[in-house]
Amino acid sequence: AQKITQTQPGMFVQEKEAVTLDCTYDTSDPSYGLFWYKQPSSGEMIFLIYQGSYDQQNATEGRYSLNFQKARKSANLVISASQLGDSAMYFCAMREWGFGNEKLTFGTGTRLTIIP
Amino acid sequence: GAVVSQHPSRVICKSGTSVKIECRSLDFQATTMFWYRQFPKQSLMLMATSNEGSKATYEQGVEKDKFLINHASLTLSTLTVTSAHPEDSSFYICSASPGAKEYGYTFGSGTRLTVV
Repeated sequence: AQKITQTQPGMFVQEKEAVTLDCTYDTSDPSYGLFWYKQPSSGEMIFLIYQGSYDQQNATEGRYSLNFQKARKSANLVISASQLGDSAMYFCAMREWGFGNEKLTFGTGTRLTIIP
Repeated sequence: GAVVSQHPSRVICKSGTSVKIECRSLDFQATTMFWYRQFPKQSLMLMATSNEGSKATYEQGVEKDKFLINHASLTLSTLTVTSAHPEDSSFYICSASPGAKEYGYTFGSGTRLTVV
């Protein structure tokens, strides 16, 4: 079964508009962490934002915010005022500690294209 | 910030030879490092978790004898692709956690392996 599900393989958004990238997850661990990473065409993985399972408030980092709905097991990334440089692959990831082993697993990603 | 250095960035090798990829944490100690494989336009697939001073934990379906992982020190993990074949051609990327949740995981810049 998929641990992390990203249902949007690709999205096109007009520059300066806000965009929401969807992510749902599946875990039985009470303690877990959720991450969003950006991967431009160069291949590097750029950390964007983190949400812990016990965090009461939604995480925010500049133009990035995470819409964390624990009961729904969703952790959508919201990018406000999109810029051309936001065009990239975006991955949602989850950290778990099953059986004492730390593990970070990724969703299939969403390719975001910002249109001028 | 935390930096993970990965070398080489690109390597071309002949079929049947072995290739070693290094992953170093430059300004922090990493008891755990992760190795991922990424096919073009796909997600990062966790191959194994590298533990300093002990055996690596491999994901299901990953051949331990083909992908040798050594984590001899707190700052260095190596992945050796043994007897490489064209189907091993891929983008390999490592990551480690500095320990503070807000840093997430720091990734190396990746290694593009081409086996000819």
